[in-house]
Amino acid sequence: GAVVSQHPSWVICKSGTSVKIECRSLDFQATTMFWYRQFPKQSLMLMATSNEGSKATYEQGVEKDKFLINHASLTLSTLTVTSAHPEDSSFYICSARVSGSQETQYFGPGTRLLVL
Amino acid sequence: AQSVTQLDSHVSVSEGTPVLLRCNYSSSYSPSLFWYVQHPNKGLQLLLKYTSAATLVKGINGFEAEFKKSETSFHLTKPSAHMSDAAEYFCVVTTDSWGKLQFGAGTQVVVTP
Repeated sequence: GAVVSQHPSWVICKSGTSVKIECRSLDFQATTMFWYRQFPKQSLMLMATSNEGSKATYEQGVEKDKFLINHASLTLSTLTVTSAHPEDSSFYICSARVSGSQETQYFGPGTRLLVL
Repeated sequence: AQSVTQLDSHVSVSEGTPVLLRCNYSSSYSPSLFWYVQHPNKGLQLLLKYTSAATLVKGINGFEAEFKKSETSFHLTKPSAHMSDAAEYFCVVTTDSWGKLQFGAGTQVVVTP
């Protein structure tokens, strides 16, 4: 089946630093990847849609300068949390959709970010 | 606008008894519907999906769901719960023709021996 990986799985950083999270589709090409955020005991909230070779589309209320997304290839999208603050601590999950398919998204295992 | 409502935030069942997780949706077009499971500290796993084919959808691990347009429901069932079914379950609906997803609030399933 389609596998999506995320790196790192865990990251702890100091307030004010930037953190980059990678999302890779391992065995398929993904024109579109999605980034979600999940707070403890809550559901996933879509942050942005990442399309290969173009600018990401952000959901309402998500600061694009805070959460930089780059989708430079068909197998890699990155999310950079810039100048992280404790309120950015969360579980970040990416998903990837097989190129040419409008249907199933395959999810990565998530990255837990803790900002001290 | 599309939305999805999971009617139970918490379900507790005994091992070997049936599981029912309820989901209602609203949509201005014919959506695709999914059930995902999330085990503690693990990624999301697709259980099953409905994409306008058969209304009774069979998924992995013995789960199935029935799409009922008249009731705008997509309830998830399993005849006999296992301890390994303890997890968070999300009902998910596509919100547009590009396949953007909206998640329900989730249902925490506890399985007791």
